[in-house]
Amino acid sequence: DTAVSQTPKYLVTQMGNDKSIKCEQNLGHDTMYWYKQDSKKFLKIMFSYNNKELIINETVPNRFSPKSPDKAHLNLHINSLELGDSAVYFCASSQVRSTGTGLGYTFGSGTRLTVV
Amino acid sequence: SQQGEEDPQALSIQEGENATMNCSYKTSINNLQWYRQNSGRGLVHLILIRSNEREKHSGRLRVTLDTSKKSSSLLITASRAADTASYFCATTLTGANSKLTFGKGITLSVRP
Repeated sequence: DTAVSQTPKYLVTQMGNDKSIKCEQNLGHDTMYWYKQDSKKFLKIMFSYNNKELIINETVPNRFSPKSPDKAHLNLHINSLELGDSAVYFCASSQVRSTGTGLGYTFGSGTRLTVV
Repeated sequence: SQQGEEDPQALSIQEGENATMNCSYKTSINNLQWYRQNSGRGLVHLILIRSNEREKHSGRLRVTLDTSKKSSSLLITASRAADTASYFCATTLTGANSKLTFGKGITLSVRP
């Protein structure tokens, strides 16, 4: 019954590795997001997809590549992991009106990535 | 860049007291939202207030919005220990592809 589910919950990996985080929502929302929360709890948007189309791509290293196979899924692949990538990554979804106005987001429980 | 700035950064109160948290922002908004994050968990949407609204209630929550001062406040009445969490305000800018921009957050501790 989980509305936005992301896996894995914890990910510990070595520098230089490539890893993926998966996200799925069963709310029927048309827009999905990836946020990064650093050690000071600051949340920053990374990407947003609306109906499988990339609409927001913030200044993120191109080692990060999102993929949305359908509007219920948004995965995040990270190449050549660096120490600074350690953070909690949150997936979220929302229903966006035709005016572009987003309503309340529903967040997943997060993936804590630790790069050693 | 950051849009919302909450204050105080940390608040500690006794159970039963009211908690007031403030948020200021810089540019014109479409709506402002408040979220709660319990330790080690995801964010939970609490309440949304549109730019043409001044006050909104939801249970023990009361949110106000003053667009002339570019500020909002979240009041939690009759606080409980379970309200202990981090609280974030977030804004959606006008015509900004619904991007939600978060402030730094306020850590609320409610002592039993």
